[in-house]
Amino acid sequence: AQKITQTQPGMFVQEKEAVTLDCTYDTSDQSYGLFWYKQPSSGEMIFLIYQGSYDEQNATEGRYSLNFQKARKSANLVISASQLGDSAMYFCAMRHTGGFKTIFGAGTRLFVKA
Amino acid sequence: EAGVAQSPRYKIIEKRQSVAFWCNPISGHATLYWYQQILGQGPKLLIQFQNNGVVDDSQLPKDRFSAERLKGVDSTLKIQPAKLEDSAVYLCASSFSASATGDTQYFGPGTRLTVL
Repeated sequence: AQKITQTQPGMFVQEKEAVTLDCTYDTSDQSYGLFWYKQPSSGEMIFLIYQGSYDEQNATEGRYSLNFQKARKSANLVISASQLGDSAMYFCAMRHTGGFKTIFGAGTRLFVKA
Repeated sequence: EAGVAQSPRYKIIEKRQSVAFWCNPISGHATLYWYQQILGQGPKLLIQFQNNGVVDDSQLPKDRFSAERLKGVDSTLKIQPAKLEDSAVYLCASSFSASATGDTQYFGPGTRLTVL
């Protein structure tokens, strides 16, 4: 069965430092997509970055990069130069070809300290 | 480009009452999703529409929840009667087309439901 695991309930990072949020997944599909979303206290889910299972290079979007290790089934989010506004919940999600349903992990709460 | 609109933003009801939520997706998006997010958890898909047809409603509690998407655009999600465990944020999302693994979902601000 498809599953997303985020093992860090909470993370602290100093402003301007980099932080890695962990995500592992389980699927038997060969074709799938991995997503990261940010959810501030306002509640809206904001799309950050996408990685396809056949993409050979790690995805990057500004200060966000996805460290994709297919053999280990991990898709960690790296945020460089953390800002106070990065304090939020972060969700890893996977969409697989079987029905194209998206499943979400339990999330990691990130606290950025000044 | 306008984002996904939802209303109301907040709703407080007594158990056994009914409630309805409304969602207007991004223009041109064929796929619409309703998620339930209980405090401290990730979103859980309730129902997925492709245009005005249901693609997946396997996790929708059909004895009390119903949803429709009129003319393939706006959608309403109804709960009747509500239970205490329905207290959650209800998120609506839309995407261009669900037939690709890279199809990105864009979310609305959500409706926070409290059942007393």
